[in-house]
Amino acid sequence: SSELTQDPAVSVALGQTVRITCQGDSLRNYYASWYQQKPGQAPILVIYGRNNRPSGIPRRFSGSSSGNTASLTITGAQAEDEADYYCNSRDSSDYDLEVFGGGTKLTVL
Amino acid sequence: QVQLQESGPGLVKPSETLSLTCTVSGDSISGYYWSWVRQPPGKGLEWIGYIYYSGSTNYNPSLKSRVTISVDTSKNQFSLKLSSVTAADTAVFYCARRMYYFDSSGQKMYYFDYWGQGTLVTVSS
Repeated sequence: SSELTQDPAVSVALGQTVRITCQGDSLRNYYASWYQQKPGQAPILVIYGRNNRPSGIPRRFSGSSSGNTASLTITGAQAEDEADYYCNSRDSSDYDLEVFGGGTKLTVL
Repeated sequence: QVQLQESGPGLVKPSETLSLTCTVSGDSISGYYWSWVRQPPGKGLEWIGYIYYSGSTNYNPSLKSRVTISVDTSKNQFSLKLSSVTAADTAVFYCARRMYYFDSSGQKMYYFDYWGQGTLVTVSS
């Protein structure tokens, strides 16, 4: 079972703002990273650390964290943002293990 | 630009060992952590394990008894072996670079910055 919990599905109207959340004990100590995956494609890193975007990721993607919850916010969602989003962090043990959330399917209406 | 490419058989028989190789181009494998992640059809991502370029490893406890990850720095490659496979091991397997930086408290923060395109491995007789 995953130690990071995500809502299975979220929808947003075109141009509106959407927040995708990820909950887990490890997030009290470690930042989450976020990955976008479109059908048939490999995941792409969109946010890492406190709120860092890799080169080429649009500014509408941002990250935040509070307590045991990390959030990925898309401000002004575009049709091309429709995808599965996964959070990832080290797990809550002391053994330097990695864990992924179950994923959130984002639908842009 | 770092590129990763998975290679290996697409079909493995039950009880046999799955073997995949990830070839890294555009940067040296030295100095970094490298991981394997899998995704069963229609399901989410599952971390399998990582290897540091020096050879130290760490595995997902749920797979630890069956997994071996190794590295060949001379070829700029790292590999995955998963033994005693069953149909439940059918998945797309990705290799990825596990990058890190130090946050303001001096703690290492990890993330996967480059991924291979993935390769589907089906376990079937």
